[in-house]
Amino acid sequence: AQTVTQSQPEMSVQEAETVTLSCTYDTSESDYYLFWYKQPPSRQMILVIRQEAYKQQNATENRFSVNFQKAAKSFSLKISDSQLGDAAMYFCAYSQTYGGSQGNLIFGKGTKLSVKP
Amino acid sequence: SQTIHQWPATLVQPVGSPLSLECTVEGTSNPNLYWYRQAAGRGLQLLFYSVGIGQISSEVPQNLSASRPQDRQFILSSKKLLLSDSGFYLCAWCPGTGIYEQYFGPGTRLTVT
Repeated sequence: AQTVTQSQPEMSVQEAETVTLSCTYDTSESDYYLFWYKQPPSRQMILVIRQEAYKQQNATENRFSVNFQKAAKSFSLKISDSQLGDAAMYFCAYSQTYGGSQGNLIFGKGTKLSVKP
Repeated sequence: SQTIHQWPATLVQPVGSPLSLECTVEGTSNPNLYWYRQAAGRGLQLLFYSVGIGQISSEVPQNLSASRPQDRQFILSSKKLLLSDSGFYLCAWCPGTGIYEQYFGPGTRLTVT
């Protein structure tokens, strides 16, 4: 079974600085998707970025980028120029691309990011 | 554009009472639909998913059930709530084949007393 591990329960960053959140996963599949979701205090989950496993190029979305290392099964999220609004729980998630579970997401336990002014 | 609604936003129910949480999606057709539960300070646990009307798959055996009476409506129910049913319930949708990211509703905070 696939698993997703986020080893940093909490992280802190100074406003305008850069922070990297770690995520590792375990799968025997070669084709899959990885995501980072943000959950602010309102608790609504917001998709931050997605990565397709067959694409070698790392995904970027404005100040958010990933470092996808397929062989190492690592998928870290880098937040540049951190802003106070980035403070939230961040969840790494995995989705297989076929099989009985139709696109079901497997989530890590999350990393709580604090941003200091 | 697509939007997803959940209600109620907050619910306090006594042990043994019934439950009905509703989720609807607008602006799309034949979506995959999902119910997740998030206990305090923990990750998300998939409860049910549906790929079409009347098609429900359960991931975790428990006190809850789900139904999909219409294409864009997903309902989470219980006949008798337990204290352990307390948590934050999130509904999500996914366009389906070839697209795997899920989009979440605002959630329902359920407290069973």
